[in-house]
Amino acid sequence: DGGITQSPKYLFRKEGQNVTLSCEQNLNHDAMYWYRQDPGQGLRLIYYSQIVNDFQKGDIAEGYSVSREKKESFPLTVTSAQKNPTAFYLCASSITSGRDTQYFGPGTRLTVL
Amino acid sequence: GQQVMQIPQYQHVQEGEDFTTYCNSSTTLSNIQWYKQRPGGHPVFLIQLVKSGEVKKQKRLTFQFGEAKKNSSLHITATQTTDVGTYFCSWSGGYQKVTFGTGTKLQVIP
Repeated sequence: DGGITQSPKYLFRKEGQNVTLSCEQNLNHDAMYWYRQDPGQGLRLIYYSQIVNDFQKGDIAEGYSVSREKKESFPLTVTSAQKNPTAFYLCASSITSGRDTQYFGPGTRLTVL
Repeated sequence: GQQVMQIPQYQHVQEGEDFTTYCNSSTTLSNIQWYKQRPGGHPVFLIQLVKSGEVKKQKRLTFQFGEAKKNSSLHITATQTTDVGTYFCSWSGGYQKVTFGTGTKLQVIP
């Protein structure tokens, strides 16, 4: 069954702690993306990766870090430097970057207490 | 720089009424995509438009790309409660980066 998975669905952390969100895809897609969505707002791009071992900052990369050591995995770390980390985080992948359709995972809802 | 506005931000319609959301860009877009996000869910791809003046239909949904490739619209005929959700346009710009509009949240009153 092909798709993109994110875990966990809900995550709670204390302020000041780093937390890593998982994103895995078995679609053999080259490109992967991380978005943040706040209530009533659109999707804001955090980081994207066009190919393994390469990634670029999106519009709101401050306080976040990523790695792309394997084609199928693109974990996102929310660091303590991120001032307002509570949000809904969506991971997506596409065959290549740019024009291709993006397939989204179910998302992780992070709450920092 | 490029600015793309998606309007309206919210729309409440009576079931059976039509609905339209628009994306308007200050510069020419190479392509535009539309996604739907149900409440509590994740965005799901609906369609991609590439050609100037392109019109595509999916059942009650009609998608248009303007002649100048600066605007696009999604029109739903005779809305149903299953149409509830937020509709986003997205486009690719420099460095292969994809940007999403702010979305239009549709509420359908039964």
